[in-house]
Amino acid sequence: KNEVEQSPQNLTAQEGEFITINCSYSVGISALHWLQQHPGGGIVSLFMLSSGKKKHGRLIATINIQEKHSSLHITASHPRDSAVYICAAGFNNDMRFGAGTRLTVKP
Amino acid sequence: DTGVSQDPRHKITKRGQNVTFRCDPISEHNRLYWYRQTLGQGPEFLTYFQNEAQLEKSRLLSDRFSAERPKGSFSTLEIQRTEQGDSAMYLCASSLVQGSGNTIYFGEGSWLTVV
Repeated sequence: KNEVEQSPQNLTAQEGEFITINCSYSVGISALHWLQQHPGGGIVSLFMLSSGKKKHGRLIATINIQEKHSSLHITASHPRDSAVYICAAGFNNDMRFGAGTRLTVKP
Repeated sequence: DTGVSQDPRHKITKRGQNVTFRCDPISEHNRLYWYRQTLGQGPEFLTYFQNEAQLEKSRLLSDRFSAERPKGSFSTLEIQRTEQGDSAMYLCASSLVQGSGNTIYFGEGSWLTVV
């Protein structure tokens, strides 16, 4: 069983919709990362959080440490948000990655 | 500083050949990671360095794989006697470790195709 599970694997939305991607992890962590990967491979770190909630523009990330669960929300989605979103659990010296959620936002 | 850079971005090689990838981390970062990513999967940890010391290696890193960070700056990942199963993207990342939790910065990745 993967230590980091993401859902859904694939998500298609219409422009303007509110999007939620979920992440569950089974190990104790020092931080939870949300990453964005575009075609071609480049990865950008969106959030690093260890408690509560963070917001950046239309993106919101939340984490519940007790339930070992995090969510990434995108408000007013746009086609340029189309990418793979990866959840990664950081602990000690390492990170464990989820398989990613492929998001497609249609105009 | 332009971030984490990797070279080459793409490499096609024949089975059995050796390949080497280079990673230049963000200059003040003391930690450097190598990951492997296959299509449709999240990155998998291979190894990491704290300065020049290689502190952990995944069991994915067979004896055909070797990584170095000789001066605590750039790093190389060499794959000897490549196999078709080595075809993947090899990602490098770096971070500055200060206390608990640290932002990690990724390179663009080096795509390897073994034919």
